[in-house]
Amino acid sequence: AQKITQTQPGMFVQEKEAVTLDCTYDTSDPSYGLFWYKQPSSGEMIFLIYQGSYDQQNATEGRYSLNFQKARKSANLVISASQLGDSAMYFCAMRGEYGNKLVFGAGTILRVKS
Amino acid sequence: EPEVTQTPSHQVTQMGQEVILRCVPISNHLYFYWYRQILGQKVEFLVSFYNNEISEKSEIFDDQFSVERPDGSNFTLKIRSTKLEDSAMYFCASSVNGMLRDEQYFGPGTRLTVT
Repeated sequence: AQKITQTQPGMFVQEKEAVTLDCTYDTSDPSYGLFWYKQPSSGEMIFLIYQGSYDQQNATEGRYSLNFQKARKSANLVISASQLGDSAMYFCAMRGEYGNKLVFGAGTILRVKS
Repeated sequence: EPEVTQTPSHQVTQMGQEVILRCVPISNHLYFYWYRQILGQKVEFLVSFYNNEISEKSEIFDDQFSVERPDGSNFTLKIRSTKLEDSAMYFCASSVNGMLRDEQYFGPGTRLTVT
């Protein structure tokens, strides 16, 4: 079974600053994938970034990067140069090797201040 | 860009009634999913579907729930006798294949309100 923990219910960041959203996970699967999704107030789920457990490098996608520390079982999302449009709920999710389902964390609400 | 679509966007129903939520996955995708999100809570997996059968389901997905792919494009979730606690946002998702890094594309969701 997989478990995702997001300990920050809410975060504030100043526009143009960087912010880190925490995510820790637990699984017994030998390989797994970690995903981050953004959910704006409109409700849709937008895929941001993926990290595979055996990927040699931390994933990056534009202003999003993933600080993956396998030994600590953490996969923190870093958003650089925050924009007002980044204000949303952010979910960390994982998928184990032996199934298709995504297991989500409780989410972190990010508010970007101007 | 191809996208997953869902209808209706909002459904209000009375307790005990049957509802069918509809989804059109991305056309070349082979895996389909339903998730739900009770207001203010985490997104929860309900069921995955591949090759015209359920490949995985959660404990939430009991006998009141069923899924179907009635034709080559639609994917439906039926709740036979709705309960108040079924009120939630229901998301359909699809993915190309079952690989570990395969991104699941989510639809905009159907908000189900059971009164």
